[in-house]
Amino acid sequence: KNQVEQSPQSLIILEGKNCTLQCNYTVSPFSNLRWYKQDTGRGPVSLTIMTFSENTKSNGRYTATLDADTKQSSLHITASQLSDSASYICVVSSAGGGADGLTFGKGTHLIIQP
Amino acid sequence: DAGVTQSPTHLIKTRGQQVTLRCSPKSGHDTVSWYQQALGQGPQFIFQYYEEEERQRGNFPDRFSGHQFPNYSSELNVNALLLGDSALYLCASSLGDRTNYGYTFGSGTRLTVV
Repeated sequence: KNQVEQSPQSLIILEGKNCTLQCNYTVSPFSNLRWYKQDTGRGPVSLTIMTFSENTKSNGRYTATLDADTKQSSLHITASQLSDSASYICVVSSAGGGADGLTFGKGTHLIIQP
Repeated sequence: DAGVTQSPTHLIKTRGQQVTLRCSPKSGHDTVSWYQQALGQGPQFIFQYYEEEERQRGNFPDRFSGHQFPNYSSELNVNALLLGDSALYLCASSLGDRTNYGYTFGSGTRLTVV
């Protein structure tokens, strides 16, 4: 069964600090991995998408890494801001395409405190 | 370039009632997927519509049904509402039913069943 596990479940850090969120997956065959940011009560917004051959991808203060051998990904947030408070969801897509081929993690709930 | 639009944003219904949620895909997209997201959980795939037909379906009962119109917009219908149907319902649009890329999410409809 395809699964995506995220850790930690929740995280509280001070504004200006860095943090790293983890995602482990057992999706096969693998196509790509995405990180989404979801504000409370809103839809997910894509941050990065990485394929098998990509190790790192950045989007402003967000940097995602992918180790396809160990099936692990991380999302690093630099110099956090209050607006970074949200849930961060890791989504892995299996080859073959289709919405049913997307496996969602439960997300990491990040709170940035002033 | 309009993104994915969902309506209504919030809805309160009574157990046993029926509800219809609506979604307009992003301009240029022709496929609509529906997801249910319970509080603190990742989105769960309900079904996907492409060329006005249900192409893929997740593990949801027949009380959940849908429709896609010639202009690619879509409706999600839920009959005989249960308290457990309370959730954020997300619509995602894409180009083609087997794509692994380009899923754009709407802001969701928050359904509360009392």
